[in-house]
Amino acid sequence: ETGVTQTPRHLVMGMTNKKSLKCEQHLGHNAMYWYKQSAKKPLELMFVYSLEERVENNSVPSRFSPECPNSSHLFLHLHTLQPEDSALYLCASSQEIAGGGTGELFFGEGSRLTVL
Amino acid sequence: GQNIDQPTEMTATEGAIVQINCTYQTSGFNGLFWYQQHAGEAPTFLSYNVLDGLEEKGRFSSFLSRSKGYSYLLLKELQMKDSASYLCAASDSNYQLIWGAGTKLIIKP
Repeated sequence: ETGVTQTPRHLVMGMTNKKSLKCEQHLGHNAMYWYKQSAKKPLELMFVYSLEERVENNSVPSRFSPECPNSSHLFLHLHTLQPEDSALYLCASSQEIAGGGTGELFFGEGSRLTVL
Repeated sequence: GQNIDQPTEMTATEGAIVQINCTYQTSGFNGLFWYQQHAGEAPTFLSYNVLDGLEEKGRFSSFLSRSKGYSYLLLKELQMKDSASYLCAASDSNYQLIWGAGTKLIIKP
């Protein structure tokens, strides 16, 4: 199994739909992340979970709702999105280091979202 | 504010050497990362520097100057498979990663 797996790889949805993105990590890491990647822009951190608790929410609109039921799984629930939300959504995991910081991030291949 | 600058695109020839520069401005500093991302694939970790100097790892090397807020990634003996985007990210005082927009490297035969 690959380290970080994301499904679906591609998703097309209307603005009134509700869908979810799923991420699973098989690396035994204790932190998981959602990033948004748009063309020619820096990665935007959306949410961070450490030991299944949300530790960061970078002013993300409420139409994005994360869920972390356990240390291996992470979801991003999508509701009434806008066309500008079309992007690649990347999940990542890492191992937090005692005293601060984390090791390298391991990314999934992303979910390409198109909002019509 | 916090900021990372790196060139948008670079072109190099197979077998040659290329240097991708990255300058950063962060509140505090806890190291600098380089990631490689092939089109349609996940970013993968290349290197991490927290002390000044050059770290060599096979054909790839990464350099850091903390006093200048500057890093570069050096790729030697370029191969076609090195065509990818290279992402620079600096870790600030809160260990938050500040990302650059990435440098798309095009390798020509």
